[in-house]
Amino acid sequence: GENVEQHPSTLSVQEGDSAVIKCTYSDSASNYFPWYKQELGKRPQLIIDIRSNVGEKKDQRIAVTLNKTAKHFSLHITETQPEDSAVYFCAASTQAGKSTFGDGTTLTVKP
Amino acid sequence: EPEVTQTPSHQVTQMGQEVILRCVPISNHLYFYWYRQILGQKVEFLVSFYNNEISEKSEIFDDQFSVERPDGSNFTLKIRSTKLEDSAMYFCASSNPRGSYEQYFGPGTRLTVT
Repeated sequence: GENVEQHPSTLSVQEGDSAVIKCTYSDSASNYFPWYKQELGKRPQLIIDIRSNVGEKKDQRIAVTLNKTAKHFSLHITETQPEDSAVYFCAASTQAGKSTFGDGTTLTVKP
Repeated sequence: EPEVTQTPSHQVTQMGQEVILRCVPISNHLYFYWYRQILGQKVEFLVSFYNNEISEKSEIFDDQFSVERPDGSNFTLKIRSTKLEDSAMYFCASSNPRGSYEQYFGPGTRLTVT
């Protein structure tokens, strides 16, 4: 089955700096790669996603890159703010919607 | 904006009891999912459901679990005989793949098995 590895497990940055989280996946059948932000006790919230036919996508301060050949994808957050502090999960999904999540990255943005 | 809803928000049950967790997906969505998240751990896929049948399921989704869409609006997850290790947050999600794969998550049901 699919295996998704996510690094780092914790990330601490100064407000205004950039944060990068990386994921790798194993199953070539995965064709959709969402990133979720989860605050304590809340549901995962989609922040950005990318499909396998696209290499990069950007939405304001958030960008995602995908290297399908190497089977890795990354989340980039620029100009980080304290409210970006949360746990971030990557996921790899198949056409039938089976999503395998990474272990999560706890991002702390220090004011 | 339409949202996925789940009831109850918290369910406490004794080991060996049956529980049913309920979800109301977004009305025009066609795909439905259940996930679980043990406290402090990652989100784990349980099952996806489309056209009144299971599309995919994980190794976690064994014979103790079942899903049903009993009417046009509800989507339920039943755990037949709960174990202590079933204690987790259970999230329902729905999506409409026509144009988007995005899955919309409900607020979750916290299941505590004692």
